[in-house]
Amino acid sequence: GQNIDQPTEMTATEGAIVQINCTYQTSGFNGLFWYQQHAGEAPTFLSYNVLDGLEEKGRFSSFLSRSKGYSYLLLKELQMKDSASYLCAVRDGAGGYNKLIFGAGTRLAVHP
Amino acid sequence: GAGVSQSPSNKVTEKGKDVELRCDPISGHTALYWYRQSLGQGLEFLIYFQGNSAPDKSGLPSDRFSAERTGGSVSTLTIQRTQQEDSAVYLCASSPIAGPGGELFFGEGSRLTVL
Repeated sequence: GQNIDQPTEMTATEGAIVQINCTYQTSGFNGLFWYQQHAGEAPTFLSYNVLDGLEEKGRFSSFLSRSKGYSYLLLKELQMKDSASYLCAVRDGAGGYNKLIFGAGTRLAVHP
Repeated sequence: GAGVSQSPSNKVTEKGKDVELRCDPISGHTALYWYRQSLGQGLEFLIYFQGNSAPDKSGLPSDRFSAERTGGSVSTLTIQRTQQEDSAVYLCASSPIAGPGGELFFGEGSRLTVL
């Protein structure tokens, strides 16, 4: 089976840096994704990690440690528009499938 | 259009009725997913189609739920004898490759309300 844990809510100040952690347990790890979801909208892709280390894309970076079952999403120079839910998702390759399982999401509120 | 298309965008039904939700994935995408999202909650996996292989139905909550994907393209999620707890947004997503990697592209969802 799969288990994905991330904090329910976080708050941060405009211009600051915030780190959203995700821990996971899965029988057939095949990659980890981060998605952003604004209220009432569909999720949109942010990042993908399959090897250990840091992936940087502009203001957003994502880190993966497969041995620890751990990832984080780092958001720099926060803007008000970054207020959204951030979903950690793990691709589970067990049984020959590659289904993507999502955590419950972290609601981030950015304040002026 | 170029994105994943879902219909209807909103559906209100009475308890006990059957509903069908439709998903048109991005052309050429081999993988298709259905998820359910209740208000303020995360995405609950329902079913996954991968090419011509048998689907992974492990997330379907009961035998009232079923899904088909015809011709490797359009998919229909059917909920029989709807219950109030079925009220949620049903999201469809498609992916260009079935293997590792391959980001999911989501539709706008079908909001189901069961009275």
